[in-house]
Amino acid sequence: EAQVTQNPRYLITVTGKKLTVTCSQNMNHEYMSWYRQDPGLGLRQIYYSMNVEVTDKGDVPEGYKVSRKEKRNFPLILESPSPNQTSLYFCATQRGVGETQYFGPGTRLLVL
Amino acid sequence: GQSLEQPSEVTAVEGAIVQINCTYQTSGFYGLSWYQQHDGGAPTFLSYNALDGLEETGRFSSFLSRSDSYGYLLLQELQMKDSASYFCAVRPNAGNNRKLIWGLGTSLAVNP
Repeated sequence: EAQVTQNPRYLITVTGKKLTVTCSQNMNHEYMSWYRQDPGLGLRQIYYSMNVEVTDKGDVPEGYKVSRKEKRNFPLILESPSPNQTSLYFCATQRGVGETQYFGPGTRLLVL
Repeated sequence: GQSLEQPSEVTAVEGAIVQINCTYQTSGFYGLSWYQQHDGGAPTFLSYNALDGLEETGRFSSFLSRSDSYGYLLLQELQMKDSASYFCAVRPNAGNNRKLIWGLGTSLAVNP
C-alpha cells in the first residue's frame, strides 16, 4: 500500500529541546516537502527536496532544518524549538515537480 | 506578487450545489489543483485543471479560466461528509516554479 508516514503523530515538548519529526514514503517519489498549518494561515511550505542531497528553503524555513540522505526519508529537525513553532506539520511527497502531492497524516506539535 | 484568494467560509445544505471560487494574482502557472482536508486530517488531492474548461469527477467538478484569472470547485448533491476545508493551489511557470502557491482554504459546512 502506497503511504506516507510521520512520527510522532503528537508531541509535547519544552522550549530548546531538540526534536526530529520523521517522514517516510514507499512510493519512490523524488520530491518531498514539509508544511506547517496554522489557523487562518493555510499551508506554508517549510523546506522541500527535489532529490537525495538536494534541499531548498520554502516560505518559512527559519528555525528548521532538513536532510535527505535517502530517497524515502525526509526528517524535519527543530534544533531549539520555540512556542511559535507550535503547529500542525505535514510531510508531502510527489513523483516530480508539478505532480499530485500525497500528504502524511500530520504531526501535532506543542512547544511549551 | 503571487497569491490565490478564496472565501474563508461557505455554508450549504445537504443535497444542494455549492461553488468555491479561487481567484489568482500570478503571472502564469501550469495548472490549478484542488485539495480537500477534513478536520484533523491530511489534505487529499481532488482535481487538477491544466487547461481552461471544466473537469468532472463524480459529484465534483473543477473549472479554470486563465483569461479571467479564475477557477472554481463545484460540489453537487452535497453530503454531510463534504464538510471540510478546500484549498486551491498553482505551480508558477516563472520564478521559483519548484513549489506550489496555496490559497488559504475555504471551510465548507454542510447542514442537514
